[in-house]
Amino acid sequence: QKEVEQDPGPLSVPEGAIVSLNCTYSNSAFQYFMWYRQYSRKGPELLMYTYSSGNKEDGRFTAQVDKSSKYISLFIRDSQPSDSATYLCAMSEDNYGQNFVFGPGTRLSVLP
Amino acid sequence: DAMVIQNPRYQVTQFGKPVTLSCSQTLNHNVMYWYQQKSSQAPKLLFHYYDKDFNNEADTPDNFQSRRPNTSFCFLDIRSPGLGDAAMYLCATSSVLGKLFFGSGTQLSVL
Repeated sequence: QKEVEQDPGPLSVPEGAIVSLNCTYSNSAFQYFMWYRQYSRKGPELLMYTYSSGNKEDGRFTAQVDKSSKYISLFIRDSQPSDSATYLCAMSEDNYGQNFVFGPGTRLSVLP
Repeated sequence: DAMVIQNPRYQVTQFGKPVTLSCSQTLNHNVMYWYQQKSSQAPKLLFHYYDKDFNNEADTPDNFQSRRPNTSFCFLDIRSPGLGDAAMYLCATSSVLGKLFFGSGTQLSVL
């Protein structure tokens, strides 16, 4: 079992839909959770950064962490074609960058 | 704007011909990282620097080397590229703890 798993997609949704992207993990010591957006042939860009369990909202984006289930989610409301990208989750025990474990990403297409 | 800049964006090299990729940052972060990312895969950490202290991941091939002459610049040298080294190479920075900031990457092709 890989340490961090994501459904690779591709996930296609119509513009305006609510999108749910998910990661599961096996290491119960993870405490720091991140979501990155990566456009084609570009570097990842940090979207959301959370510590421990709970929800965090930023505009159309909501990150949710359920440590008891070892499951994190990113919700995108009112999805736009510009949201079409690969979404990578990342997590770590100790917040040292070299210990961040990335998922392989979910490719999202938002159709106009 | 403070940022992480990678050059070139695209690099084509021949099998076995050494190649150097460069990264610079204006964020003044202590830590710099090099990742390799193949299509539809998670970024894989190759090595990182904390200031001038070099840290190699255990499974990074000897074919990959790095230099950090100062806080702002970091280089990735691939001594004898093989076909399997074709990938996106990502440079990232962070302060001692916390968020990673990535450059736009260099897409390496090996012919």
